[in-house]
Amino acid sequence: KNQVEQSPQSLIILEGKNCTLQCNYTVSPFSNLRWYKQDTGRGPVSLTIMTFSENTKSNGRYTATLDADTKQSSLHITASQLSDSASYICVVSAAVHNQGGKLIFGQGTELSVKP
Amino acid sequence: DVKVTQSSRYLVKRTGEKVFLECVQDMDHENMFWYRQDPGLGLRLIYFSYDVKMKEKGDIPEGYSVSREKKERFSLILESASTNQTSMYLCASRIQGIASQPQHFGDGTRLSIL
Repeated sequence: KNQVEQSPQSLIILEGKNCTLQCNYTVSPFSNLRWYKQDTGRGPVSLTIMTFSENTKSNGRYTATLDADTKQSSLHITASQLSDSASYICVVSAAVHNQGGKLIFGQGTELSVKP
Repeated sequence: DVKVTQSSRYLVKRTGEKVFLECVQDMDHENMFWYRQDPGLGLRLIYFSYDVKMKEKGDIPEGYSVSREKKERFSLILESASTNQTSMYLCASRIQGIASQPQHFGDGTRLSIL
């Protein structure tokens, strides 16, 4: 069964600190993995996308890693800011012959950055 | 920038009512999607549409139907609303058939069924 599991469920950190969010998946055949950020009351917004051959990708203070062998991804946030408070959702696309793949969503990690 | 607009941010309806949720995108995307988002369950796909007048069931289509008469507009219909359909509903759109392109989401409609 295709599944995406994220940990931790929630996380509280102090402003300026770093943190790492985890995503484990069992999706086959794998197409790509994307991290979304969802602010409270808003829709998810894409942060990064990684394909099978990529193991690191950065977007400003966000760095995503992918280990396709162990089927794990992480999202590292450096020097956190209050605006990083949000839900972070890991989404894995299963390669389907038509229509660009089927998306399997994780349940999200709720990050709270405190001053 | 892609803009996906959902007609209502908050909606309160009564059990048994027929409810329409509207979504409009401005980027000429072929694919459009309706999800519901519940605490602890993440996003679940209700229906999607490859193009005008085309629709496919997602993972949880029971109690819902959709309409896509124009390319930019995708409507979700609750035929007879029930309390277990109280949820956050998210619409998304995407360019056809390119896996590397993200889905672009609206800001959601928080629907309460009383």
